[in-house]
Amino acid sequence: GAGVSQTPSNKVTEKGKYVELRCDPISGHTALYWYRQSLGQGPEFLIYFQGTGAADDSGLPNDRFFAVRPEGSVSTLKIQRTERGDSAVYLCASSSSVVVGTGELFFGEGSRLTVL
Amino acid sequence: AQSVAQPEDQVNVAEGNPLTVKCTYSVSGNPYLFWYVQYPNRGLQFLLKYITGDNLVKGSYGFEAEFNKSQTSFHLKKPSALVSDSALYFCAVRDIRNNDMRFGAGTRLTVKP
Repeated sequence: GAGVSQTPSNKVTEKGKYVELRCDPISGHTALYWYRQSLGQGPEFLIYFQGTGAADDSGLPNDRFFAVRPEGSVSTLKIQRTERGDSAVYLCASSSSVVVGTGELFFGEGSRLTVL
Repeated sequence: AQSVAQPEDQVNVAEGNPLTVKCTYSVSGNPYLFWYVQYPNRGLQFLLKYITGDNLVKGSYGFEAEFNKSQTSFHLKKPSALVSDSALYFCAVRDIRNNDMRFGAGTRLTVKP
């Protein structure tokens, strides 16, 4: 597709369940980012991939959160033993630039996670 | 790590008046600076960026921003506000030594007719 695609758009789950959120970046974009956004707040950095590897995962809040990008394209954010505090919109973005760091991010519409 | 501060939670202006949304940043090295806009129930959209060169950068929808290194600021401006400019605005910064981007908490701009 032309833009960043995120599925599901909405996910309601029960506390303690496992959740996977998927991101399909713009074709050819090597950098992929995950952010979390709570209502009325700015995007909170979670993890950033350059190719297949996580270049910076310092934003993952704890070991219940994990993300993969095995072929350098699609990424999956995995949340184990979900808690009510995990409820937020999870944003994915991708970027490509000849000179590292200069490219703007292209965001998906987000996956809204609600943990009951 | 780099960080961004947006000191105003909300900015209110009358249509046709100039608007300014403030942003200050903190990085160890030289910054790459960005502004994004978010309309209700939509993803973030890129407005403009400063990479190098002229301190005044122009972007989408008539917005511009001025990079001020001595004040570590990158304020967003528009000469004449429109009601349709009402949205959430986010400033973001990258340290040029890495590629991760950090966002401010956002400023809600309301333009009244």
